[in-house]
Amino acid sequence: GDSVTQMEGPVTLSEEAFLTINCTYTATGYPSLFWYVQYPGEGLQLLLKATKADDKGSNKGFEATYRKETTSFHLEKGSVQVSDSAVYFCALRDNNDMRFGAGTRLTVKP
Amino acid sequence: VTQNPRYLITVTGKKLTVTCSQNMNHEYMSWYRQDPGMGLRLIHYSVGEGTTAKGEVPDGYNVSRLKKQNFLLGLESAAPSQTSVYFCASSYRPHRIGDEQYFGPGTRLTVT
Repeated sequence: GDSVTQMEGPVTLSEEAFLTINCTYTATGYPSLFWYVQYPGEGLQLLLKATKADDKGSNKGFEATYRKETTSFHLEKGSVQVSDSAVYFCALRDNNDMRFGAGTRLTVKP
Repeated sequence: VTQNPRYLITVTGKKLTVTCSQNMNHEYMSWYRQDPGMGLRLIHYSVGEGTTAKGEVPDGYNVSRLKKQNFLLGLESAAPSQTSVYFCASSYRPHRIGDEQYFGPGTRLTVT
């Protein structure tokens, strides 16, 4: 079945550092890809998405490009802030089936 | 999306129900469980009022969608292995490409 593999954390960075969180997927169809963010004690919130190959999703300085040839959707941000500290989930949706990665906890230190 | 209750402590063998409600007229609703190191796993979902379907980890759970705005998650006989955080989510259309899901705040269940 479909699956998502996400780089293991936790990840600790200093403020203004560059962030990359790797995500690869396995799917039989043509899924949509998502990054969700979860702040402590809250549900997941959509961060960005891409619906077809070569699409780039972006939001709040975060970016990810749907790479079909490498089956990847890596999350990047050029300069992280303390407020970006959270757990990040890569996910794919193929019709009614949604699969999530294990999550990567990011801590940004001042 | 709201969930009730937010916290629940029960004992092995008890029957319980968790309610999810949305007021966005969404067709699609789903239940996930979140366990450390495993991300979220889909338990059951519904593509409309009166419909339900199994997800990735359906065993030990039942659901009902009698009204469009509500999706109930039931445990007939709670087990310690079902200790987890449960999230409800909804979206507009079942098959709309790229449709994001809106998540509830979570229900933390402990079974002793």
